[in-house]
Amino acid sequence: QVQLDESGPGLVKPSQTLSLTCTVSGGSLTDGSSYYCWIRQSAGKGLEWIGRIYPSGSTNYSPSLKSRVTISVDTSKNQVSLTLTSVTAADTAMYYCARAGDYYASGSAFDIWGQGTMVTVSS
Amino acid sequence: SSELTQPPSVSVSPGQTARITCSGDALAKQYTYWYRQKPGRAPILLIYKDTKRPSGVPERFSGSSSGATVTLTISGVQAEDEADYYCQSADSSGSYVVFGGGSQLTVL
Repeated sequence: QVQLDESGPGLVKPSQTLSLTCTVSGGSLTDGSSYYCWIRQSAGKGLEWIGRIYPSGSTNYSPSLKSRVTISVDTSKNQVSLTLTSVTAADTAMYYCARAGDYYASGSAFDIWGQGTMVTVSS
Repeated sequence: SSELTQPPSVSVSPGQTARITCSGDALAKQYTYWYRQKPGRAPILLIYKDTKRPSGVPERFSGSSSGATVTLTISGVQAEDEADYYCQSADSSGSYVVFGGGSQLTVL
């Protein structure tokens, strides 16, 4: 059973860069036709999609975050990484890593989610 | 527009049927997915590609689609169904993913 585990610093200062890692266990990042994405949720708010990365390394990002976001993979470590630059208090949120398990059969159905990692932007 | 609109809240009595709608221009072209999220937990997939149910999701959860509006129907609502429900789709070109604002289901 594939599991996702997000990790990273819980506190980031304004204007700095937020870096998070999603470690995939129980399977390979490049298995089948899966892709991985990052989703965040501010306290009491809805889900906000940040971006995704396909096994090929191709990426798509939310238009509202595109200028500050980079998603990458390290297949040797079975990890997906998120980098968000120039953070502000508005970037304070729970950050989730999620998998679209089979985009040929199921489309962008996020069938596996990590437990999330809370990031606070504050000086 | 890629926005998805959901009612902020829906209330039903136990045993009744809850219907949560999601509307957006792109829904006529793109598939919709539904998730349930309980406080402090990650979302769980309920419906994919408008109407399909993953294994393990009870049959009382169903999805339907009509043009620019899709509906999540929960039959025989139970107290444990009280949660936030989110629809998800994509922009009309499929370039990026969008979520609806979420609907809080209250079981009276």
